[in-house]
Amino acid sequence: ETGVTQSPTHLIKTRGQQVTLRCSSQSGHNTVSWYQQALGQGPQFIFQYYREEENGRGNFPPRFSGLQFPNYSSELNVNALELDDSALYLCASSLVVSTMTTEAFFGQGTRLTVV
Amino acid sequence: AQTVTQSQPEMSVQEAETVTLSCTYDTSENNYYLFWYKQPPSRQMILVIRQEAYKQQNATENRFSVNFQKAAKSFSLKISDSQLGDTAMYFCAFTSGTYKYIFGTGTRLKVLA
Repeated sequence: ETGVTQSPTHLIKTRGQQVTLRCSSQSGHNTVSWYQQALGQGPQFIFQYYREEENGRGNFPPRFSGLQFPNYSSELNVNALELDDSALYLCASSLVVSTMTTEAFFGQGTRLTVV
Repeated sequence: AQTVTQSQPEMSVQEAETVTLSCTYDTSENNYYLFWYKQPPSRQMILVIRQEAYKQQNATENRFSVNFQKAAKSFSLKISDSQLGDTAMYFCAFTSGTYKYIFGTGTRLKVLA
């Protein structure tokens, strides 16, 4: 157990709908990153939040957005769902102090299926 | 661009034997971190081992050790005394600091009884 929890564990949505995925960071961590893992692939970086601000973004369209809350929990929102958004979404938390970081600890993921 | 390559999609090993998983990466950075993560069917990514690029000594964690060759940009994982519980996907990952991780495509390891 890493202390990073994600909800829900599974989700089925219809194309065009909107979805919100949630992540609770490990205690003491101040940074949250989200990754998309398509079947048979490695995780791809979506974005990172540090102290409630977006701190970097991967090659994902603006319909992928996020939030980080004062307690360092986080949400990933995806609008106008497409079939290709079907994937495992992983949340990872870490502690960043100045230029130093701990390793990322991952949640168990949310399996999103878009039909 | 920074990339991570795992050239072995699948591997198998007999229980109690030793297996080595390969990983190469490309970066122009001098300071960075490399990781091996294990992803069992439960889906949770579990950190296996971590290596800081400035450290010449190879990292070890119990049955897991790495062969880090900075000049060759190679970072292989050796699993000794393989156990059935080692069956999983293994991902090599790179980060140059506090930012994103770049993952390889993974190696599916099956430990045979």
